[in-house]
Amino acid sequence: GQNIDQPTEMTATEGAIVQINCTYQTSGFNGLFWYQQHAGEAPTFLSYNVLDGLEEKGRFSSFLSRSKGYSYLLLKELQMKDSASYLCAVNTGTASKLTFGTGTRLQVTL
Amino acid sequence: GAVVSQHPSRVICKSGTSVKIECRSLDFQATTMFWYRQFPKQSLMLMATSNEGSKATYEQGVEKDKFLINHASLTLSTLTVTSAHPEDSSFYICSAAGVGNTGELFFGEGSRLTVL
Repeated sequence: GQNIDQPTEMTATEGAIVQINCTYQTSGFNGLFWYQQHAGEAPTFLSYNVLDGLEEKGRFSSFLSRSKGYSYLLLKELQMKDSASYLCAVNTGTASKLTFGTGTRLQVTL
Repeated sequence: GAVVSQHPSRVICKSGTSVKIECRSLDFQATTMFWYRQFPKQSLMLMATSNEGSKATYEQGVEKDKFLINHASLTLSTLTVTSAHPEDSSFYICSAAGVGNTGELFFGEGSRLTVL
């Protein structure tokens, strides 16, 4: 089966840095995605990792270690609008079929 | 990025009726689309994979006779919730694979179904 775990909730302060972890155990691996989802809206793409290492995109960075089955999403200079759910998803190798993790609800406070 | 449109965004129906949700890829052809269901404060759960011109592939535990999926063209997939019950109330989201090899999914806006 597929197992993708994330912390359920996190709280951080505006302007700070927060790291959201994701561990996975899947039958196949063809890349890991991070999506942001605001309440009542569809997910929006943030990042994609298929090789080990860090991918940086503005305030957001994502890291992958395939040997450890581990990824994290790093958000810098937090803004209030970053309050949302962050979903880790693994492409298990079958034509873009993504399995989503439990999602992490991030609350940014003043 | 690619655009996926979903309709309706909100629907309220009576128990026992059927509801159809449409998912369209507006600027690309999608041979494969995916239907997800999301309950409040939970993550997306894959229901089925919709393949153009063939039968959908359903995930374990999803009733294929209750959730009818049709993918008649390269730009349209439909999900029909038949004989809806209050427990079917949920957020239904479709997605289509983007162009290229990353496997990135582009999501529709989602449809919130409320069954009274």
